[in-house]
Amino acid sequence: EVQLVQSGAEVTKPGESLKISCMGSGYNFATNWIGWVRQMPGKGLEWMGIIYPGDSDTRYSPPFQGQVTISADKSISTVYLQWSSLKASDTAMYYCGRLGVGNSVDFWGQGTLVTVSS
Amino acid sequence: QSALTQPASVSGSPGQSITISCTGTSSDVGGYNYVSWYQQHPGKAPKLLIYNVSNRPSGAPNRFSGSKSGNTASLTISGLQAEDEADYYCSSYTNSNSLVVFGGGTKLTVL
Repeated sequence: EVQLVQSGAEVTKPGESLKISCMGSGYNFATNWIGWVRQMPGKGLEWMGIIYPGDSDTRYSPPFQGQVTISADKSISTVYLQWSSLKASDTAMYYCGRLGVGNSVDFWGQGTLVTVSS
Repeated sequence: QSALTQPASVSGSPGQSITISCTGTSSDVGGYNYVSWYQQHPGKAPKLLIYNVSNRPSGAPNRFSGSKSGNTASLTISGLQAEDEADYYCSSYTNSNSLVVFGGGTKLTVL
């Protein structure tokens, strides 16, 4: 059974750094792109970027380029999303998802809620 | 790249059919048969309903169907049920760097 399991909710302060994770199981983790999706409170889904765990090829959606870093460690089937200096506007639910046929997201993580507040 | 355009809300009564549109450009929806649709209930992760314009993954009810004409894709829900009340998002492959773009989402209300 394919599963993506994300790290738990985080409460942080502006200016702090943070790294959240997404661990895959039940399939060959190295051979499917994994994407990160932001959902701000009460808003829609926003595609942040993707990574191919096999070679760590990474692409960012323009609004997120330079704002976050996506990385992968295929040896432990885990993809990461990190910030070097959080802002209050980074408060959101973050989902990881596996890209399947036709670049559809066929499996989703359960989401990680990040709250940034002073 | 810009998000795909969806209506903010649609509504229908149980048993009726509704259609949600998703308009893009020749760089995404119109250029490739890689449109997907997702259902999201409050507090839950999205769930894949349709991929490659009109294909249903296993487990997706056959009340959900997809189509495309030019730069606009559509999701049709036939025989509306109360549990269909949710937010719906389209997405498409795009030839920009990040490979995927979402629509803004449509809230479906079952009256």
